[in-house]
Amino acid sequence: NAGVTQTPKFRVLKTGQSMTLLCAQDMNHEYMYWYRQDPGMGLRLIHYSVGEGTTAKGEVPDGYNVSRLKKQNFLLGLESAAPSQTSVYFCASTPSWGNEQFFGPGTRLTVL
Amino acid sequence: EDQVTQSPEALRLQEGESSSLNCSYTVSGLRGLFWYRQDPGKGPEFLFTLYSAGEEKEKERLKATLTKKESFLHITAPKPEDSATYLCAVQARGSSASKIIFGSGTRLSIRP
Repeated sequence: NAGVTQTPKFRVLKTGQSMTLLCAQDMNHEYMYWYRQDPGMGLRLIHYSVGEGTTAKGEVPDGYNVSRLKKQNFLLGLESAAPSQTSVYFCASTPSWGNEQFFGPGTRLTVL
Repeated sequence: EDQVTQSPEALRLQEGESSSLNCSYTVSGLRGLFWYRQDPGKGPEFLFTLYSAGEEKEKERLKATLTKKESFLHITAPKPEDSATYLCAVQARGSSASKIIFGSGTRLSIRP
């Protein structure tokens, strides 16, 4: 039981490049989330999903897109990376709304 | 506006020196307050959920308490392995899955 995994662990992009971050969970959870964590600002919600095929915007969605084609996977896309998107990205899942979240190990992204 | 404030930002203690971390919150009806531990370079790990004022939960050297305006994480006789960043998060009653607000955390350092 791997829990929540994230790929890749580290990535460096140039401004304007695109990439996709992959989150996978093997706990059969319905809800999945993408957060970014910046120094002194805590975790901020980018997008979330309440089930396969559904997605919704969180607090800071601009510049990101997501997809949840399979229940166990939640993808975060950056179409045209900007230096302001330099951050650590965490994926989380939970069986239902209101329960504690299970977090992945994070992806450290640097945009030059 | 819903808000979560953690204090202090950083706390350095000697091994065995007990103390408390504070999480003050303002939400329109609390559904749940969560405490997480985050080690450097890793994702947050769930510790406790508190639902109503007066509730307390304990785990090893940690005890979390809740009032109508704040929560405390009490650390009794801490050890160096308790060094981590402790995050508080709140969820409002009746809110959508997006309304999970995290504080910016308290960095705890325990000196041997």
